Amino acid sequence: AQSVTQLGSHVSVSEGALVLLRCNYSSSVPPYLFWYVQYPNQGLQLLLKYTSAATLVKGINGFEAEFKKSETSFHLTKPSAHMSDAAEYFCAVSSSGGYQKVTFGIGTKLQVIP
Amino acid sequence: AAGVIQSPRHLIKEKRETATLKCYPIPRHDTVYWYQQGPGQDPQFLISFYEKMQSDKGSIPDRFSAQQFSDYHSELNMSSLELGDSALYFCASSPSGGGPPSGANVLTFGAGSRLTVL
Repeated sequence: AQSVTQLGSHVSVSEGALVLLRCNYSSSVPPYLFWYVQYPNQGLQLLLKYTSAATLVKGINGFEAEFKKSETSFHLTKPSAHMSDAAEYFCAVSSSGGYQKVTFGIGTKLQVIP
Repeated sequence: AAGVIQSPRHLIKEKRETATLKCYPIPRHDTVYWYQQGPGQDPQFLISFYEKMQSDKGSIPDRFSAQQFSDYHSELNMSSLELGDSALYFCASSPSGGGPPSGANVLTFGAGSRLTVL
């Protein structure tokens, strides 16, 4: 069984401030971890993924996430928020090795204040 | 690059009617997943297919059925529609066996089909 917990369904940051979206995972086997972004009325776009290589993963739009096994965490960060970052962000987990479905967290809505 | 194509993008139905959603995966992707995202909710896994066989089943109602065809496209059939079926339905595809050398089962999502049941 696998799951992710996203802390905070809504996060507000000022433009130019640090973005930190929290995600903790639970998995009985080594996980693969993902962050997806969803803009209003659009599909899900992959931001970045962790697949047991480097623990610090860089994604698109300046986002990065660090896999910390000891903390079972995969928090998403961006040094400086832009207005265009306003969206909903989903953390997701799947088991490593071959076919496995992805399980999503409840999502965190990011608001960027000018 | 080709993406996952879903049709129709929007669909309005009455209660107790039937709806069919279609999904065309990325070329050479043989695994298709269906997700349902209700208003303000996270995507919930419904069902998946690998090489035209059902590979996994999630919280899909008995009123729903799906299949994958020989060209790997998939259709989600929903009957006896209820108000609560109003949602965004996502299809995603991935290559088999985890795909790229990284082994990650990276799903590529379509833009979704928005079903409204009146």
